[in-house]
Amino acid sequence: KAGVTQTPRYLIKTRGQQVTLSCSPISGHRSVSWYQQTPGQGLQFLFEYFSETQRNKGNFPGRFSGRQFSNSRSEMNVSTLELGDSALYLCASSGGDTTNTEAFFGQGTRLTVV
Amino acid sequence: AQTVTQSQPEMSVQEAETVTLSCTYDTSESDYYLFWYKQPPSRQMILVIRQEAYKQQNATENRFSVNFQKAAKSFSLKISDSQLGDAAMYFCAYLSGTYKYIFGTGTRLKVLA
Repeated sequence: KAGVTQTPRYLIKTRGQQVTLSCSPISGHRSVSWYQQTPGQGLQFLFEYFSETQRNKGNFPGRFSGRQFSNSRSEMNVSTLELGDSALYLCASSGGDTTNTEAFFGQGTRLTVV
Repeated sequence: AQTVTQSQPEMSVQEAETVTLSCTYDTSESDYYLFWYKQPPSRQMILVIRQEAYKQQNATENRFSVNFQKAAKSFSLKISDSQLGDAAMYFCAYLSGTYKYIFGTGTRLKVLA
């Protein structure tokens, strides 16, 4: 069974640009969540999608957005990039209900904003 | 709001010895799940062990076990017979019905040969 796949693995962008990150969950998983990991703030929850609907959102500005497609693949977009957006972005998939709580993580996308 | 606290930024253990990583959390909910995840240098987060709050019995997975004290809101991880491959960042995490994992700040575990 293939794991969670995140693309690209590494990204360098300039301030003011926008970026789109992709996450393909484990087959059969309907929930995809996104986290930002930085040395200073640790792992911060961005949002969670289940069957194309956003069920929960973290405390991030509106520049951070996401969506989920009918095949459960998810994308995250960050517009008007700032230096502080440099981070490791992790995607996790799970069954999405209380009987399938384990989150399986991808290897992350390392975003560097210069 | 729920919070997860890991008060040990770094721990060291000799190979083959036992080490305990601490985690406390705060919540007003009665139904939730607790996890320990491991993040090696490869950055891949790997589930180590899971505990359902309604279960009084402490979870065990091979060399890994937890001490879950619900009243004290404490969830520590014990690693027995430590191996070099156990060296990693360990994150304690909380999950409730909001489908949002809340992570602690992590404990870096060093295993000394």
